This record gives sequence, C-alpha cells and structure tokens, in this order.
Amino acid sequence: QVQVLASGGGVVQPGESLRLSCAVSGFTFSSYGLFWVRQAPGKGLEWVAFISNDGTKTYYGDSVKGRFTISRDGSVDTLFLQMNSLRLEDTAVYYCAKDVVGGDYYFYMDVLGMGTTVTVS
Amino acid sequence: QSALTQPASVSGSPGQSITVSCTAANNEVGFYNYVSWYQHHPDTAPKVVIYDVSRRPSGISNRFSGSKSGNTASLTISGLQADDEADYYCCAYVGSGSYWVFGGGTRLTVL
Repeated sequence: QVQVLASGGGVVQPGESLRLSCAVSGFTFSSYGLFWVRQAPGKGLEWVAFISNDGTKTYYGDSVKGRFTISRDGSVDTLFLQMNSLRLEDTAVYYCAKDVVGGDYYFYMDVLGMGTTVTVS
Repeated sequence: QSALTQPASVSGSPGQSITVSCTAANNEVGFYNYVSWYQHHPDTAPKVVIYDVSRRPSGISNRFSGSKSGNTASLTISGLQADDEADYYCCAYVGSGSYWVFGGGTRLTVL
C-alpha cells in the first residue's frame, strides 16, 4: 500500500523560500516519475513540476519556472520542491504525485496523500 | 485562463448518467491521446479515474468511462451515486512547452 508523508509547508512572506518534502513508500521509487501539483484557494488544479524516474528530465509550469526546483533522493525515497522567491499567488495546497504507469510512460498523475499547505502572506 | 474548457457545473439524479466535456481551444486534445480525468472531493487527494482517454486505473468503478472526439474529451458517469458528487478535472499532456494542462474543473451535483 502506498504511503506518503508530505511536509515543509508553512506561512512565509513574499520573496522568502520553502522546501517541501514528500516521503513515500509502497512502490519502487526508482521506477516512477514524480510530480508536484497545487490547488490555490477557490481555484482548480495546476501542474507545477515533474521529474523523471531517473532524475534526468525535469519540467516546470510557466508560473514557477526559474523559481522552483524539483529533485528526488532515491536513498530515502523522497521527492522535494525547493521554492524560492515566493509570491502571493503561490499560496496553495501542494500535492505530490507519482505517474500512473511508470518508466517512460509518465503522462498521468496518481496523487498521493493530502498535500501540504503553503501560505505566502 | 485554461486551454481546456469544462462546464462549471453539471447535475444529475441518482441512477442517471452525466457527461462532462473538456474542449481544447487549439486542438491540443485532438492532437494528443494523453488525456486523463481526476475526481476531487473536498479535503481529500484528487484521484485519477480515467487515463489514456478511456482507461480505468485498478479499483475504479466501470461506471466511469472516457472518450474523445475531435478536440473534445468526455467523461461519462453512469448510475450516479451520492458519493460521485465532487469536482472533476480533465488534464492533457501536450508535450514540450506547457507539458501538462488542467481544465478549469466541473462541479458535479447529485440531486
């Protein structure tokens, strides 16, 4: 059974930084691409970032490109999101997700857990 | 503004069927087959209910089905149940550039 522990959220001021973590278990970490997805208050879902199963590919949404960095550590089965230069509009619940199929077929997200809340105020 | 347009709301009575549409403004859905649908109940994690346009992940009821025609993808839920009341989002992988795009979401109300 897949388990996840998301952490690192909190309240920060504009311009500050946060690092989100998502520790997972219950699947072969190195076989799956991983995502961050967010939902701002009263808004819909927004894809934030993706990292391939081997860590060689990283993609970012336009709204976070150049400010956020996604990474993964297979030694502790953990996904990270380093968020710099935070803006008011980054306020959201941040969810981590694994791709549904695995390997090179990384087109779909399987959201894990309840997410962690980031408030920029 | 999302490149994928969904109706803001749909409703149906228990036992009925409803369809949620997802239309691409610039034929993104029509060009790619990487369309998925997510069910999101308040204060829970969004759950993928359809991927690859029409595939159901393990554990998802066969009351959920997906299809695509031209630049519009659709999610149909048959035999509506109270627990189906949720927000539904379509998502398309559109390749380099925008990569993944979500629709604005549709609130399903079970009357």
